[in-house]
Order: sequence, then structure tokens, then C-alpha cells
Amino acid sequence: DAGVTQSPTHLIKTRGQQVTLRCSPKSGHDTVSWYQQALGQGPQFIFQYYEEEERQRGNFPDRFSGHQFPNYSSELNVNALLLGDSALYLCASSWWWTYGVDTQYFGPGTRLTVL
Amino acid sequence: QKEVEQNSGPLSVPEGAIASLNCTYSDRGSQSFFWYRQYSGKSPELIMSIYSNGDKEDGRFTAQLNKASQYVSLLIRDSQPSDSATYLCAVNILGSSNTGKLIFGQGTTLQVKP
Repeated sequence: DAGVTQSPTHLIKTRGQQVTLRCSPKSGHDTVSWYQQALGQGPQFIFQYYEEEERQRGNFPDRFSGHQFPNYSSELNVNALLLGDSALYLCASSWWWTYGVDTQYFGPGTRLTVL
Repeated sequence: QKEVEQNSGPLSVPEGAIASLNCTYSDRGSQSFFWYRQYSGKSPELIMSIYSNGDKEDGRFTAQLNKASQYVSLLIRDSQPSDSATYLCAVNILGSSNTGKLIFGQGTTLQVKP
């Protein structure tokens, strides 16, 4: 049973550039959530996708956008990169259920460094 | 007030001892609670989930939930050096249309000394 996968593993960009991160959820999962984790901090919720729609969004600027495809995989796009965007970006997958999203399982993450 | 609070530590315990990790949360409507373990440079790994008041045991791990006090804890019995990691408490906060997002504490660093 394949777990959550993310690509790339590491990425180095310069300020002002744009980046796209990719995530494939665990087999059978239909919901993808994205988190940003700065060094020494807990993960912070960016947004969540279900049925190809953004269902909930955290306190992140519009420079952060996403997409979910019919096969449930997802992309996170960040435009006009800032130094402060350097972080570990985590994708989590889960099932959607009546009382909210079920247990979330994390992928290995993408380490983004902005120079 | 932060939504989920943890003592950042480090919490240092000798090998074989019980490690006790604590977490408080502010949203009284929260229904599901999780403990994740994160080794340095790695992603969070789910250890336990708990939904009802009381204790839930899984091997050497026991999660405790007290919704009235808005308090979640994790006990690790017979601590091993391999348990040395950061432990993240996460609370599922329900939004509109039954969406849910995890709000994390900053994590507690546990050091188990041989």
C-alpha cells in the first residue's frame, strides 16, 4: 500500500521566482491538505482540497494557491517567493467524512530554500 | 492565546522511565485529537488518535483526553533512546461545511538518555 508521496524532495529558488510542489495521496484517500513548517515550529495549515475544490484555507496570502486533480493528487503553487517562504512543505492525505476530515497522514515533505 | 499549546522542552528522561507530554487547546468544539512524532529532518508520523474522554492505550503509548479541562496528554512507558524526537499535539478544528484542519502545537522535544 503506497503511502503519501511528494516531489521534489528538495528545491532551491531565488526571491521572486515561482515554485510548484506535488503530492499524491495514500491509496483510497480523497482529501489533500497542505502545511508549512518553519524550523522549530509546528506545521501551519495552508489549505485543503476535496472534490477538486479548495474547502478551507489558513492564514496564508493569495501567493499560495493549489489544485486537485481527478485522481486526487494535488499541487501547491507559490508565486513571488520571499525569503520567509523557506520551510518544509508537508502534504497530508485523509478520507472525507461527515464530521470533518479523518486522520491525516503526512508525506515526506519538500524542503524549499529561498535565497 | 495560542489555539494549541505545548511546552517546547526539552524534556529529558532516563531510559526506561515514563515520559509525560502535555497539551492544552482553546477550541471547546474540537472533537478529535492526535499525537505525531517527528524525528529531526523528517515528516510527522502518527502515533495516536483519541476522540473520547479517558485513556487510550497502544503498546507503550497512552493518550489521555479531558475535554472539560481542554487537556490532552501522551505517556510513553519504558522510554527508549529511539523515542528521542519532537512530539506534536494536533487538534482537528471544524470549519464550515464540515471541513477540518489540524492545528498543531509547537512540539515538545523529548530526549531519552541511555
